[in-house]
Amino acid sequence: EIVMTQSPATLSVSPGERATLSCRASQSVSSNLAWYQQKPGQAPRLLIYGASTRATGIPARFSGSGSGTEFTLTISSLQSEDFAVYSCQQHDNWPPKVTFGGGTKVEIK
Amino acid sequence: QVQLVESGGGVVQPGRSLRLSCVVSGFTFSSYGMHWVRQAPGKGLEWVAVIWYDGTNKYYADSVKGRFTISRDNSKNTLSLQMNSLRVEDTAVYYCAREIGRSNYADLGYWGQGTLVTVSS
Repeated sequence: EIVMTQSPATLSVSPGERATLSCRASQSVSSNLAWYQQKPGQAPRLLIYGASTRATGIPARFSGSGSGTEFTLTISSLQSEDFAVYSCQQHDNWPPKVTFGGGTKVEIK
Repeated sequence: QVQLVESGGGVVQPGRSLRLSCVVSGFTFSSYGMHWVRQAPGKGLEWVAVIWYDGTNKYYADSVKGRFTISRDNSKNTLSLQMNSLRVEDTAVYYCAREIGRSNYADLGYWGQGTLVTVSS
């Protein structure tokens, strides 16, 4: 089973600053990597899929990069509404199982 | 607009069963793969199961395999999760989620609001 490890667990950032979140896979997942944002009491929201493609309606300040085992989500200039938990997710090609990382909480510094 | 509405959650004793439903609207249900994802209180997301758009293939997380069954009724726009032999560690909010496209396996762009399942004696 592929294990997804996110770091750091918590990231303290000031509004307007850049945030860089990491996600590492225990083995290559190619570009089968998505990022989600979740706020308290809400369902997750898809931000990025295919490692670097923004989902519909996602602002350009969110960008994803990486392939294989190392992935990064960058928020170029944090807005107040961006403080949330971010989770990465991979899927195997076969069998098509899905794994989430443990999440990174982005909090106000 | 796309809507997914889960129901069926509640409090159940260990070893008992529960059936969750997810009724969808606003899109052609029979065209999309559907997933169940859960989240234990204060914890991260955990994928539970997937069913192909036509119901021909189903896959499960190891933690629920043999106990949970995912199914769908495309004529009723309904996704289901039959949960048997429930354990305390199955306590979580259960979300149904839809893929964003037929070629976007597990890219979950649409989610329900979740339904809470509590397994406790």
